[in-house]
Amino acid sequence: IAGITQAPTSQILAAGRRMTLRCTQDMRHNAMYWYRQDLGLGLRLIHYSNTAGTTGKGEVPDGYSVSRANTDDFPLTLASAVPSQTSVYFCASSKFWGSGNEQFFGPGTRLTVL
Amino acid sequence: DQQVKQNSPSLSVQEGRISILNCDYTNSMFDYFLWYKKYPAEGPTFLISISSIKDKNEDGRFTVFLNKSAKHLSLHIVPSQPGDSAVYFCAAADNFNKFYFGSGTKLNVKP
Repeated sequence: IAGITQAPTSQILAAGRRMTLRCTQDMRHNAMYWYRQDLGLGLRLIHYSNTAGTTGKGEVPDGYSVSRANTDDFPLTLASAVPSQTSVYFCASSKFWGSGNEQFFGPGTRLTVL
Repeated sequence: DQQVKQNSPSLSVQEGRISILNCDYTNSMFDYFLWYKKYPAEGPTFLISISSIKDKNEDGRFTVFLNKSAKHLSLHIVPSQPGDSAVYFCAAADNFNKFYFGSGTKLNVKP
């Protein structure tokens, strides 16, 4: 594989269920990010990790958690999904943390919470 | 409140003509600006960027202009091609490397 992969491609989930969105990159990038894209709002940062072992909160972190046990994987967990978390989720990575570093995006996961 | 705004949700241009996509921002601490292009069912892909120390950056048919006093960014595509039809997002980065994206402009280049 080359780049960033996300799984699943799409998912329909009942409210209250737990869900983990997977993200894997093979570029050995240090920094990784999770965004959600909603109509009329663009992409909003949920959580980020500037290097393996560290994570931080973005613009809209509530209801989500992340972990970064190694360089390649950055899963996003919804502990108890709610309908407002219906969105398209994009994982991204950049070689280094810091302004000026281009972010590369995965293909996205479309999540519907009923 | 959104810190990066793209006020035109869509733009239609004839092939061969210039496409101008606009973006405004509110945070004077932003120091790096980017444009991303997104096709349906794909993730955004990087197009072009500009640092706050410059007012213009050019890459082939794509030129980004930055007007810091007006807090305004624009992307010019000349000449426009049908393959340029996509959603374009502008983004701004603060010194914590957090990116803030606009809501996107859907460009349609008509053959």
